[in-house]
Amino acid sequence: KAGVTQTPRYLIKTRGQQVTLSCSPISGHRSVSWYQQTPGQGLQFLFEYFSETQRNKGNFPGRFSGRQFSNSRSEMNVSTLELGDSALYLCASSAGPSGVSTDTQYFGPGTRLTVL
Amino acid sequence: GESVGLHLPTLSVQEGDNSIINCAYSNSASDYFIWYKQESGKGPQFIIDIRSNMDKRQGQRVTVLLNKTVKHLSLQIAATQPGDSAVYFCAENIGGSYIPTFGRGTSLIVHP
Repeated sequence: KAGVTQTPRYLIKTRGQQVTLSCSPISGHRSVSWYQQTPGQGLQFLFEYFSETQRNKGNFPGRFSGRQFSNSRSEMNVSTLELGDSALYLCASSAGPSGVSTDTQYFGPGTRLTVL
Repeated sequence: GESVGLHLPTLSVQEGDNSIINCAYSNSASDYFIWYKQESGKGPQFIIDIRSNMDKRQGQRVTVLLNKTVKHLSLQIAATQPGDSAVYFCAENIGGSYIPTFGRGTSLIVHP
């Protein structure tokens, strides 16, 4: 099976712009989660989607949004970019719904976003 | 490769040694814990998990120990190899919903 893929791998934007990142989960996986990774804050949970519905949301402002399509592919959007949004954005997929779950999450390689 | 973190705690070991990576978790309500390995330029990779009703779980060359009394988690890697060099994260899940909280990570450097 192909792993989780994320596009693009690298992105440079300027403050005020918006950006859309894409994630294709492992075939058959229905849950997709997004994370932000920075040197200062480490790995932080953004949100999780299952069957096109956002099931869980982390503590991020409304500028961060996402969606999931019927084929389980997911996108996340960041509007009005700030310098502090520079980070590695990671997507992870798992087979089933995330609850108190032992479904293993498989991470993609991430998208490195740099905001100038 | 890409750096996944700056100023991380670092553990340097010789090839063949056993490594112990520690993690203090924050919430006594957490009931599920996971260790991840992240190599430069890659996303985190699942290593091993443990539920709060256990205090030890073993995998291939890895063992996770959970001490709920002091909210401490450790990952033991036996016969550490150069390929084990990476950043290791623990994650805790609070019971009822899957919104994981990750530790800051420890950089493991294995010298041949």
